[in-house]
Amino acid sequence: LAKTTQPISMDSYEGQEVNITCSHNNIATNDYITWYQQFPSQGPRFIIQGYKTKVTNEVASLFIPADRKSSTLSLPRVSLSDTAVYYCLVVEYNFNKFYFGSGTKLNVKP
Amino acid sequence: DAGVTQSPTHLIKTRGQQVTLRCSPKSGHDTVSWYQQALGQGPQFIFQYYEEEERQRGNFPDRFSGHQFPNYSSELNVNALLLGDSALYLCASSQDRVSGNTIYFGEGSWLTVV
Repeated sequence: LAKTTQPISMDSYEGQEVNITCSHNNIATNDYITWYQQFPSQGPRFIIQGYKTKVTNEVASLFIPADRKSSTLSLPRVSLSDTAVYYCLVVEYNFNKFYFGSGTKLNVKP
Repeated sequence: DAGVTQSPTHLIKTRGQQVTLRCSPKSGHDTVSWYQQALGQGPQFIFQYYEEEERQRGNFPDRFSGHQFPNYSSELNVNALLLGDSALYLCASSQDRVSGNTIYFGEGSWLTVV
């Protein structure tokens, strides 16, 4: 089960693009990458997931290089409400088993 | 379509008591996992249920037990509560053996042990 490493915290300002990179060196062939957002006292909320290259949805983009040993979550034009903890998970295909790291606490300032 | 629902949302128990937390998975999901999240930390895997059986387990004592019902809903039971069991308990549901399927979390049950 691949463990993930993320920066503990990041600061940004409203309107900026934020990129959070996650390292997962031991990712297996069938594993995929999922990112979640969590506000205090709430359950993690799904943001985006992907297997390789680039995935984009209405809230974020996910960049995964060819070797898949890392991934980068990109949040365009963040607002104060994006202040939260962001978790990168590598999900094992067969049993949906995944590892929660400590996450990245993003602090968006006005 | 309701997502993952958990109950109760908050509860307070006394040391030594027992508690039962409940989870209804998202429609179409057959696998339920439970996590414990202490304040300021990432979620820790407790166990996972599939086809009414505990399929895998994290590093938690036997005081933590669970059950999955034929309708895929699940319960988490904790016996002989300790102060250190105070945490947010999260339920996650997914669909087994479906490539790339998304795992969804409930809002959690806040347990305070006094």
